[in-house]
Amino acid sequence: GAGVSQSPSNKVTEKGKDVELRCDPISGHTALYWYRQRLGQGLEFLIYFQGNSAPDKSGLPSDRFSAERTGESVSTLTIQRTQQEDSAVYLCASSLQALNEKLFFGSGTQLSVL
Amino acid sequence: GENVEQHPSTLSVQEGDSAVIKCTYSDSASNYFPWYKQELGKRPQLIIDIRSNVGEKKDQRIAVTLNKTAKHFSLHITETQPEDSAVYFCAASIRGSQGNLIFGKGTKLSVKP
Repeated sequence: GAGVSQSPSNKVTEKGKDVELRCDPISGHTALYWYRQRLGQGLEFLIYFQGNSAPDKSGLPSDRFSAERTGESVSTLTIQRTQQEDSAVYLCASSLQALNEKLFFGSGTQLSVL
Repeated sequence: GENVEQHPSTLSVQEGDSAVIKCTYSDSASNYFPWYKQELGKRPQLIIDIRSNVGEKKDQRIAVTLNKTAKHFSLHITETQPEDSAVYFCAASIRGSQGNLIFGKGTKLSVKP
């Protein structure tokens, strides 16, 4: 595709349910990032994948959050037992390679936990 | 870990005036400092970046300056236009963590016509 694709664009769920968010990076991009953006707030780093290296999970806020990436393609971010404070836009970004490269962001998934 | 502080959180200027946004970082090993612009309802997009081996970079009406000693960098927008209205984020990379970027909390810039 032409850019980073995320799905779904919107997700409404009930507190306590699990959700799975998907990111398709730009083809050939080896680095993939997940960020969380609460309403009117900044970009909060969650997790980073680079090729076949172990992911940097230092930003995950709790053990309810996890992410996977298959090779250098699709990534899924899973939130278990969702809480109202998980409501936010979840942004995925990819870059051609690691170390100081331009990030291309997806349009995000707006998650609302009722 | 790295911490990036950004000021001001909101900035309002008249069209044609200049706007300056400042950021400080904590990790002296950081070596890459990009700026992203996020228009309302849209995704962030890179507008300019600077690496630690230079002190200033300019691209038309936008410039970024870096002071490594003081660990701060700034975005300067001259001759502001209404379409410059957006939220601007600074960021710094953490050397040794394979390219992780930590963002500031953003500055909402409003340019009044």
